[in-house]
Amino acid sequence: QVQLQESGPGLVRPSQTLSLTCTVSGDSISSGDYFWSWIRQHPGKGLEWIGYIYNRESTYNRGTTFYTPSLKSRATISVDTSKNQFSLTLTSVTVADSAVYFCARYDPPEFDYWGQGSLVTVSS
Amino acid sequence: EIVLTQSPDFQSVTPKEKVTITCRASQSVGYDLHWYQQKPDQSPKLIIKFASQSFSGVPSRFSGSGYGTDFTLTINGLEAEDAATYYCHQSRSLPQTFGQGTKVDIK
Repeated sequence: QVQLQESGPGLVRPSQTLSLTCTVSGDSISSGDYFWSWIRQHPGKGLEWIGYIYNRESTYNRGTTFYTPSLKSRATISVDTSKNQFSLTLTSVTVADSAVYFCARYDPPEFDYWGQGSLVTVSS
Repeated sequence: EIVLTQSPDFQSVTPKEKVTITCRASQSVGYDLHWYQQKPDQSPKLIIKFASQSFSGVPSRFSGSGYGTDFTLTINGLEAEDAATYYCHQSRSLPQTFGQGTKVDIK
């Protein structure tokens, strides 16, 4: 059974960088035609796809990333295959970036496995 | 960006009643429309993919239909455990987008 678990600071200061890691267990992050994803949910709101990374030499080059346009200039998704982890960094955060951040595996066309979510609050 | 608009935003329903949630896309997504269920303090779970295909293990009371821009999620005979927020999601084009959600409450 594939499991994903987010980790990272729950509080980030405005203008600083948000960093989250997702640890994958039950499968290799290099196996399968999957996209390793980040999705966020503002309090009481809907789901916002941030982006994902492809970690195989197949359909795309290993390390190919895709981002939502509104966050593309501030978001970076990367993979550490040796640790079976992938990460999100979001620079220059504001209070509008306060949200629950989910990592998820995207097996087209669905997000089939999700972490339980990590609440990040941006506040001074 | 494809915008997904769900209706209603909120529905309070008696057990065993039928629930219908609609999702309208701002442009055609073909059959690339999927439904998720999210219970409080949990992550979303896929229930329907490709508009009408039930995901493994999902009770048969959940069904989906539609093509192009108009889609429906139906729960035939609501049960108490179905209290949740339901989201549609399109994978037709990037960026991937979700509807704003429909919260289903049990009367």
